[in-house]
Amino acid sequence: QVQLVESGGGVVQPGRSLRLSCAASGFTLGSYAMDWVRQAPGGGLEWLAVISDDGSHEYYADSVKGRFTISRDNAKDTFYLHMNDLRAEDTAIYYCTRDLWFGQGDAFDIWGQGTRVTVSS
Amino acid sequence: QSALTQPASVSGSPGQSITISCTGTSSAVGNHNLVSWYQQHPGKAPKLIIYEGSKRPSGVSNRFSGSESGNTASLTISGLQAEDEADYYCCLNAGRITFAVFGGGTTLTVL
Repeated sequence: QVQLVESGGGVVQPGRSLRLSCAASGFTLGSYAMDWVRQAPGGGLEWLAVISDDGSHEYYADSVKGRFTISRDNAKDTFYLHMNDLRAEDTAIYYCTRDLWFGQGDAFDIWGQGTRVTVSS
Repeated sequence: QSALTQPASVSGSPGQSITISCTGTSSAVGNHNLVSWYQQHPGKAPKLIIYEGSKRPSGVSNRFSGSESGNTASLTISGLQAEDEADYYCCLNAGRITFAVFGGGTTLTVL
């Protein structure tokens, strides 16, 4: 079935880096834009980044611009979030999502189960 | 980037209807079919329930409906059921391969 599975979360010290992965199954990853969204403990959803279906365009939230990089490998049906210079405020559950264009607007129609990132010394 | 404001909480009794508002700082919220809504139960991933302001994905109950007017999008849940108790988020997708922003979320309590 259509599914996204995140991996790569864990506990990391401030200032260090981490790479999250999101593996797609049940659909052709290369046909869709993909996004990352996070949720801090007890908090709301925060959109982080989007990458176009062919990887040629990216866009970031101001809160992570310059520190996080989204990328993809369509041949592996996987996309990534590279996180540098991690801070305590980056502690959150990170979700990958499929960005589906419906014709007039887009929305996140498929979500992974989330992977937890804790930034702590 | 537009900010989206939702009430922190709403409540209703089984069988009643409730409406959650989502007010933006720009007219993009109310008039351009750019708003989607998500339901999130505790410990679970969000689920898309409304897209393009008022459309339901396949499999979503017709008790959920969306509308837009002015700078405000709204989610209405009719015939409240216990299973509707969850957090609800609006989201403005500004366009293809550009920013998106979520509202702060609304906790629905079914009394």
